Amino acid sequence: ETGVTQTPRHLVMGMTNKKSLKCEQHLGHNAMYWYKQSAKKPLELMFVYNFKEQTENNSVPSRFSPECPNSSHLFLHLHTLQPEDSALYLCASSQGQGPDTQYFGPGTRLTVL
Amino acid sequence: GEDVEQSLFLSVREGDSSVINCTYTDSSSTYLYWYKQEPGAGLQLLTYIFSNMDMKQDQRLTVLLNKKDKHLSLRIADTQTGDSAIYFCAERMDSSYKLIFGSGTRLLVRP
Repeated sequence: ETGVTQTPRHLVMGMTNKKSLKCEQHLGHNAMYWYKQSAKKPLELMFVYNFKEQTENNSVPSRFSPECPNSSHLFLHLHTLQPEDSALYLCASSQGQGPDTQYFGPGTRLTVL
Repeated sequence: GEDVEQSLFLSVREGDSSVINCTYTDSSSTYLYWYKQEPGAGLQLLTYIFSNMDMKQDQRLTVLLNKKDKHLSLRIADTQTGDSAIYFCAERMDSSYKLIFGSGTRLLVRP
């Protein structure tokens, strides 16, 4: 247990569905991250939030919409996805200073049909 | 440019030492990290090293950093079957929260 939880662990959705991924951290961290891990590419940073403000959007398509209501919770809203969006979506959190080590959740395995 | 490279695969016998190598390109990296990922799980932080250090040891793990060659290695002593996993190195620049990850090295420990 790293102190970062993600739900659901597995999700299958059609291209016309709307779904949301949830991440919660119990570490008192100030920064939260979404990553995409697919078989064909290295781990890709999608979004960064620091003190609830989005500080990075790594050219992510608008069909992915993040939301960070407070420093402990992070959502990724999904809409009109493509089959190539199937991947493991990892959430992480960090203190936001010093070595700023990132602690990862277990991920949500997403399959888009 | 930002690029982190690792060899894809390493196989060792149980009880031997494993050495996983990583090269990076950005000389402004301040921290370098090693993460472990087991099947079906997220990334687990193993250790990190600050760029002004040459070596860091933590129980069975030894990290060596050659800043001149931009080369990072992770040595696992007395490798066990439970060490079988994918190992990622990552670099971070001081001015950014962004971590640049390598593609990962799959370590297989044979009995």
